[in-house]
Formats: sequence, C-alpha cells, structure tokens
Amino acid sequence: GENVEQHPSTLSVQEGDSAVIKCTYSDSASNYFPWYKQELGKRPQLIIDIRSNVGEKKDQRIAVTLNKTAKHFSLHITETQPEDSAVYFCAAMGRTGGFKTIFGAGTRLFVKA
Amino acid sequence: EAQVTQNPRYLITVTGKKLTVTCSQNMNHEYMSWYRQDPGLGLRQIYYSMNVEVTDKGDVPEGYKVSRKEKRNFPLILESPSPNQTSLYFCASSSGVEGNTEAFFGQGTRLTVV
Repeated sequence: GENVEQHPSTLSVQEGDSAVIKCTYSDSASNYFPWYKQELGKRPQLIIDIRSNVGEKKDQRIAVTLNKTAKHFSLHITETQPEDSAVYFCAAMGRTGGFKTIFGAGTRLFVKA
Repeated sequence: EAQVTQNPRYLITVTGKKLTVTCSQNMNHEYMSWYRQDPGLGLRQIYYSMNVEVTDKGDVPEGYKVSRKEKRNFPLILESPSPNQTSLYFCASSSGVEGNTEAFFGQGTRLTVV
C-alpha cells in the first residue's frame, strides 16, 4: 500500500540552530503535503503545507520544500527555540485507490536552551 | 468557536463490549477521518468520509465501523473491542471534499481495552 517514510525519528539541536526533517512518499499522484506539530498531550496542529504545483513555501522561520520527481519533501525550521520542541508529522494525501491521508511516523524534536 | 469535539476523552472497557466514540464538527466540513496514534507508528487512518453516506477504508479499518448520516457527525464504532485496539484516537475534519486542506483535530480519546 501507499506509505510515507519520515526521518529522523529523533532530532536534538541547540537553540538557534536549524532543524531539517525529511519525508518520502510512494504515491506519485499525491498532491497535498501538510506538516503537523503535536505538543505533549495535545492534538496535532497544522504548521505549514504545500501543494504539488509548488516547489517551496515559507512562513517566517518555517519552510517546506517539495521535489515531485524524487517524491520527497522536507521541513526546515530556522533559529530554533525551546518552544519548537514537539513531535512533527509529515503527511501525504494519496489519490490512488481513494483519498486516504498517510502520515509519517513522526520526528521528536528537542531544542536545548 | 470552530471546533471538532470528541467524546469521551478517556474510556476503559472490557474485551467484547461494544462502544461508540462520537465526533462532531461545527465547520460544515465535507471530509472527516478517524486516526489511531500508537508510539512509533504515527497517525494511521482508520476510516474517512468524503460526505454524507460516503465512507471508505483507511489503512487500518479492521475491527472498526463508522457511519456518516449527518454532515457534522462521524461516530467510530467498535463492535467487539480487543486489547490491541488500546490506543489514542483522533477525529479530524477538513473543508475540501478530497481532504486536501488543513485537518482540524479533536482533543483525542484515550481508549484502554482490558
């Protein structure tokens, strides 16, 4: 079936450094790629998304890049702050055989002050 | 306030006792989903619905049922719960009929089956 692989599973950075999380998807027909942040004990919340007709999108310290040929997309967080510590999930909206949403397994980001 | 509401938040039940987790959204969204979240596995979609009376299987539908009789409600039914269904469950809704817009999640339901 369709799947999304996410790496790394854990990431530890120093405050002020950049963090990069990478995802690869299998359904070449996927057209929507959101990123969600989940703080401890809370529900996931969207932080940024990108559609298949765009290669890059930026929102302040957060950016997402998409390489459709390689079926690869990445989340970039610059100038990390302790409040960025959370679990981050990538997802891909599949279009083959239905309209499922496939999530990656998550990346736990620690930002050390 | 725009929101997705799940009930109950916590539930402990015994193997085989039918249960229903309710989900309601007040945003007039077409697409609704149920996910289970397990450590190391991320969020896995159980079922989704693109509109009233339209439901389809996600990646892990075995042991679950859903219904979409009204646009706002999307209950998750476990006819005969088993311990491997112990998990954290999230309901979510999106405005696009294909689900390709921001998903708004409920508060989560922590289910324990003993």
